[in-house]
Amino acid sequence: DTAVSQTPKYLVTQMGNDKSIKCEQNLGHDTMYWYKQDSKKFLKIMFSYNNKELIINETVPNRFSPKSPDKAHLNLHINSLELGDSAVYFCASSQREGSGRDTGELFFGEGSRLTVL
Amino acid sequence: KNQVEQSPQSLIILEGKNCTLQCNYTVSPFSNLRWYKQDTGRGPVSLTIMTFSENTKSNGRYTATLDADTKQSSLHITASQLSDSASYICVVHEGGGFKTIFGAGTRLFVKA
Repeated sequence: DTAVSQTPKYLVTQMGNDKSIKCEQNLGHDTMYWYKQDSKKFLKIMFSYNNKELIINETVPNRFSPKSPDKAHLNLHINSLELGDSAVYFCASSQREGSGRDTGELFFGEGSRLTVL
Repeated sequence: KNQVEQSPQSLIILEGKNCTLQCNYTVSPFSNLRWYKQDTGRGPVSLTIMTFSENTKSNGRYTATLDADTKQSSLHITASQLSDSASYICVVHEGGGFKTIFGAGTRLFVKA
């Protein structure tokens, strides 16, 4: 069973369109993330949710809106797509230990490659 | 500013050879440091975790070191294989919070 799964794996769309990427984790983790990996392969955090609550929101255009219906799902909706949005988007999850300490190990999905034409 | 810098940016080695990748960080407070391996077209996968009190940790042919005083870490790969071709990303977890700071990665190419 895939631990962190995201769909679709590939997405090709026109500028100005709206699209969504879905993510689900079956690890029972409390924290989920969206990362953007650009053409230089640098991973940059976009959002983080802990138990459905937004805890990290980096400087991301408000065209990007995450939604967490429950702690196992974190979806990413993008409005009015621009050429610069082309990238690979990774969903990830992590878990705090019982003591509350976060070991920080991230479990990543396989990525969703978004191409905006 | 919390930063993680890796070197070299890319590296080409022959199969069977050893190599060492470097990671310098300025993250404070420090919780732990992880090395991730990212195969082409896949998500990153954790190889090792180093906490403040650990100097060396091995995972098969991968050996990570940590010098918390100089804020440096290295990942040594022994007897490289073609399957080691990947990006290796150094990630430092900030103490007390949710933040993780990523390095830009080292792209390793192992040639036959």
